[in-house]
Amino acid sequence: DGGITQSPKYLFRKEGQNVTLSCEQNLNHDAMYWYRQDPGQGLRLIYYSQIVNDFQKGDIAEGYSVSREKKESFPLTVTSAQKNPTAFYLCASSIDRQGEQPQHFGDGTRLSIL
Amino acid sequence: QKEVEQDPGPLSVPEGAIVSLNCTYSNSAFQYFMWYRQYSRKGPELLMYTYSSGNKEDGRFTAQVDKSSKYISLFIRDSQPSDSATYLCALFSGGYNKLIFGAGTRLAVHP
Repeated sequence: DGGITQSPKYLFRKEGQNVTLSCEQNLNHDAMYWYRQDPGQGLRLIYYSQIVNDFQKGDIAEGYSVSREKKESFPLTVTSAQKNPTAFYLCASSIDRQGEQPQHFGDGTRLSIL
Repeated sequence: QKEVEQDPGPLSVPEGAIVSLNCTYSNSAFQYFMWYRQYSRKGPELLMYTYSSGNKEDGRFTAQVDKSSKYISLFIRDSQPSDSATYLCALFSGGYNKLIFGAGTRLAVHP
């Protein structure tokens, strides 16, 4: 079955710790995205990548980092510089690099502070 | 002013009702319009995708776009308890080069 797999489903972060969220897709999509979802707010774009070995900052990139070494993988690191990391993180992919085509989402990772 | 406005609800309706969910937007440059459904603790799933004014129907769902009024709607006919979820509108314009999401409307369909 083609799809997007995010892991872990739940993650806890201690003060001063970096944590990495995994996102893998087997849809052969070029573009991948990371969003943050907070209650009562729409999805906010953190980073996106249109092609392997290239990525761009979204609207709220501060305190986050990404890599895109393989087409199917786009991990997100939440660094200690992100002071309010508690949120639901969603990874998405799209066949279209320009963003016109719909994005398909994984089932998210919920990150909380210990 | 937000680029996309969506009433957060919650909207509570009886089973079998017709549901109308709406988004308004401010920038006439938006070209592509999507509706996603998101169940609790899950990722959004695409329901409808359209790029022109008018109606698009898929089963019990109808997406309506009125570009002159900058208004999009999703209608659900014969609503079911399984339709209980948050519905997100999403809009794309080449100028932004990204999807802009509404905040989502929570819908509860009770038996």
